[in-house]
Amino acid sequence: NAGVTQTPKFQVLKTGQSMTLQCAQDMNHEYMSWYRQDPGMGLRLIHYSVGAGITDQGEVPNGYNVSRSTTEDFPLRLLSAAPSQTSVYFCASKKGTEAFFGQGTRLTVV
Amino acid sequence: GQQLNQSPQSMFIQEGEDVSMNCTSSSIFNTWLWYKQDPGEGPVLLIALYKAGELTSNGRLTAQFGITRKDSFLNISASIPSDVGIYFCAGITGNQFYFGTGTSLTVIP
Repeated sequence: NAGVTQTPKFQVLKTGQSMTLQCAQDMNHEYMSWYRQDPGMGLRLIHYSVGAGITDQGEVPNGYNVSRSTTEDFPLRLLSAAPSQTSVYFCASKKGTEAFFGQGTRLTVV
Repeated sequence: GQQLNQSPQSMFIQEGEDVSMNCTSSSIFNTWLWYKQDPGEGPVLLIALYKAGELTSNGRLTAQFGITRKDSFLNISASIPSDVGIYFCAGITGNQFYFGTGTSLTVIP
């Protein structure tokens, strides 16, 4: 059972570079979301999707784009990385009241 | 967004001690959840609470859904070293999860 799979696990970017964080789930969940985790801030919602073709902004969406072309995949794109985007990123899918999290991507922007 | 205040922010306890942490909100939630995050991993669900006043146990863990629906409590009895990690509360309203800021727990053998 793969659950929610995130890649890469670690990434270092230079300021201004772009990249895509991948997230895939094999549980056929309609709802998927991206969070960032910063010390003392908990988990903050970046973007979410309630199904293929539907996305919406969360609490901290600036600097990030998402798309949902299939039920399984929900990639997060950083268009022009900034040091303020240094964080640990978690993807989650949800069924009912339980959210299943990936293992996280630790991103450092220098 | 919704603000969930979790306390304490960190705890250092001796093995065998009991632990209490709580989460408060200015908003009402229909569901409260408690998650644990092990180092280098994503959060994993521990307990879910669905009704105001509900008290639910999962082994040594006990959680309560506050009567006002604006707070929740988690207790861990007889702590062991593998309890170390970050504990998050989460409230659900509509389709959205809102997470607390986390309580970092260190258990000293």
